[in-house]
Amino acid sequence: NAGVTQTPKFQVLKTGQSMTLQCAQDMNHNSMYWYRQDPGMGLRLIYYSASEGTTDKGEVPNGYNVSRLNKREFSLRLESAAPSQTSVYFCASSYSYGSGYEQYFGPGTRLTVT
Amino acid sequence: QQQVKQSPQSLIVQKGGISIINCAYENTAFDYFPWYQQFPGKGPALLIAIRPDVSEKKEGRFTISFNKSAKQFSLHIMDSQPGDSATYFCAASKGNYGGSQGNLIFGKGTKLSVKP
Repeated sequence: NAGVTQTPKFQVLKTGQSMTLQCAQDMNHNSMYWYRQDPGMGLRLIYYSASEGTTDKGEVPNGYNVSRLNKREFSLRLESAAPSQTSVYFCASSYSYGSGYEQYFGPGTRLTVT
Repeated sequence: QQQVKQSPQSLIVQKGGISIINCAYENTAFDYFPWYQQFPGKGPALLIAIRPDVSEKKEGRFTISFNKSAKQFSLHIMDSQPGDSATYFCAASKGNYGGSQGNLIFGKGTKLSVKP
């Protein structure tokens, strides 16, 4: 099991460029998430997908779009990158068990927008 | 509005000492409280979690203490080791896992350094 994989690991964009961050999980989880992590800010939810075919906004969705391509894949798109979107982006997937639920995180994509 | 407040921002502990990280929450509907551990360059990983029907949960050297009336919970790392040096995040969620109710709200993190 690879768990949650993300591509690319690093990316540098110029202001106004677009790109798509890819995420895939092989654990058959229904729910998937995109977070951004900035110094001193913790993890902030951008978008999530509770199940295949559904997506919803999180805390900081502006400037992003997502696609739940199938049960395994959940992509994040920046249509017109801005310096404020410089961050580390994490994808996660989750499953629930009797007394809680666990989110599994990918290794992250470090994005710099100049 | 910060729903989960975490302190301290950073913590330095000697090897063998006790590391204590505190979190406070506002929403009384939260009923699941996990702690995540993150090493540099890696994604966070679940360390330990608690529900409010118990006041304490212990797994090895890691213990969560939960005070429902004070709306506070804390992580205690006993016999801290240099390998514990990482950033720790507390989080909270409501019970409807997988839907909007179940999304985790994270604290801002505590960077722990354990000195040999």
